[in-house]
Amino acid sequence: DTEVTQTPKHLVMGMTNKKSLKCEQHMGHRAMYWYKQKAKKPPELMFVYSYEKLSINESVPSRFSPECPNSSLLNLHLHALQPEDSALYLCASSPLGSDTQYFGPGTRLTVL
Amino acid sequence: GQQLNQSPQSMFIQEGEDVSMNCTSSSIFNTWLWYKQDPGEGPVLLIALYKAGELTSNGRLTAQFGITRKDSFLNISASIPSDVGIYFCAGQPTGTASKLTFGTGTRLQVTL
Repeated sequence: DTEVTQTPKHLVMGMTNKKSLKCEQHMGHRAMYWYKQKAKKPPELMFVYSYEKLSINESVPSRFSPECPNSSLLNLHLHALQPEDSALYLCASSPLGSDTQYFGPGTRLTVL
Repeated sequence: GQQLNQSPQSMFIQEGEDVSMNCTSSSIFNTWLWYKQDPGEGPVLLIALYKAGELTSNGRLTAQFGITRKDSFLNISASIPSDVGIYFCAGQPTGTASKLTFGTGTRLQVTL
C-alpha cells in the first residue's frame, strides 16, 4: 500500500481564520513532508519531518505551523493567511534512507 | 529554489504516438524520479531510478538514469487519452538529503 491521505480535499478560509490540514500514511515511513504548489509550477518544499522531529524548514512564514503528533500523522496549522497563500498543499512521505517520496492527493486551499 | 531543465515544456500528440521527454542538470544526482500529475491532484510516482545507466520500464513507460548522472529521460509508447497530464522529473542532488529538486514539468495533451 503506497497511499498517503489528506483532508480536507478543499478548504476556503478567511484571513482571520484558524484551520488545519491533515495528512496520514500507514506505510511505516519515518520521513514526512509538506509542499506548496502553485498552478503550472512544480511543488515547493516547506517542511521535512524525520522521526517526528522537524529537520527542515524552508524559511516558511510563521503563519504556517507544522506538527507531527506521531509517525503516521502530519498536520499543518494555518493562521492569519494571506490570499497569496492560496495553493495546492501536498503531503508526502518516504522511507528513511530513501529519496523516493509518495504524495497525497493534496488540499486545495483558497484564502479570501 | 533550484529547478531542473525539463523539456519539452508542452507536447500535443495524437493517440498512438510515442512521447519522449527529458531532464538535465548541472549537478550530479543520486536518484531520478518521474511523476505524473492530473489537475487538482497530487503527483503519482511512475518510475524511480537509483543507478547511473539504469533503464526501467513500467508498462508503456520507460525511463533511464543518464550515465553522467546529470540527466534522465522518460518515454511513453503508444499514447492513450489518459496519458494527458503534467509530467515532472525530480531528483536528489548529492549532499542534499531529504530534498528533491523538481523539473519545470512537461504538459502532455493527446488528441484522438
